[in-house]
Amino acid sequence: DAGVIQSPRHEVTEMGQEVTLRCKPISGHNSLFWYRQTMMRGLELLIYFNNNVPIDDSGMPEDRFSAKMPNASFSTLKIQPSEPRDSAVYFCASSLTRTEKLFFGSGTQLSVL
Amino acid sequence: DQQVKQNSPSLSVQEGRISILNCDYTNSMFDYFLWYKKYPAEGPTFLISISSIKDKNEDGRFTVFLNKSAKHLSLHIVPSQPGDSAVYFCAASWSAGNMLTFGGGTRLMVKP
Repeated sequence: DAGVIQSPRHEVTEMGQEVTLRCKPISGHNSLFWYRQTMMRGLELLIYFNNNVPIDDSGMPEDRFSAKMPNASFSTLKIQPSEPRDSAVYFCASSLTRTEKLFFGSGTQLSVL
Repeated sequence: DQQVKQNSPSLSVQEGRISILNCDYTNSMFDYFLWYKKYPAEGPTFLISISSIKDKNEDGRFTVFLNKSAKHLSLHIVPSQPGDSAVYFCAASWSAGNMLTFGGGTRLMVKP
């Protein structure tokens, strides 16, 4: 099993640009999570999906952030427009159920200049 | 308000000695606790978990202790090895089906 696959690994962009992060969960996992890691706040949950349906997006910072899961094998996290304070490592994770242990991808290091 | 807190951002230990990482939580509904380990440039990986019906769970060199009355858990690594150097995250959830809440992490450095 390839595990959770995220792309790109690194993204450098300028303030105001649109950024799209991608995730392929482990096949057969029903729950998908987007996390953001920062020095100040550690690992914070942004949104999670169960069976491709967004269940809780209360962690999404503001309207500039949006996430989709069009099918069981693909999800995107979009930031439009991006701001320097969005700079962080963004992780995608999946699990069999929402309370089972999570399997994380390697993350996307986002730098907004 | 952080429901799961790791108050020590870093910890340095000599190889062969015991490492103790601490975690406190505020939500009494939490009944399932996990520790994750994260190496640089990688995602966190599951290490060990404990249910609230237990107060101890052991897996090789790793033991997690849970003190429900104090809302405190700890991870013991003995003996510590240089390869244990990583960031350790504590996480909690409750069986009503809610997702994990993570602490801020503790960076462990094991010196040879």
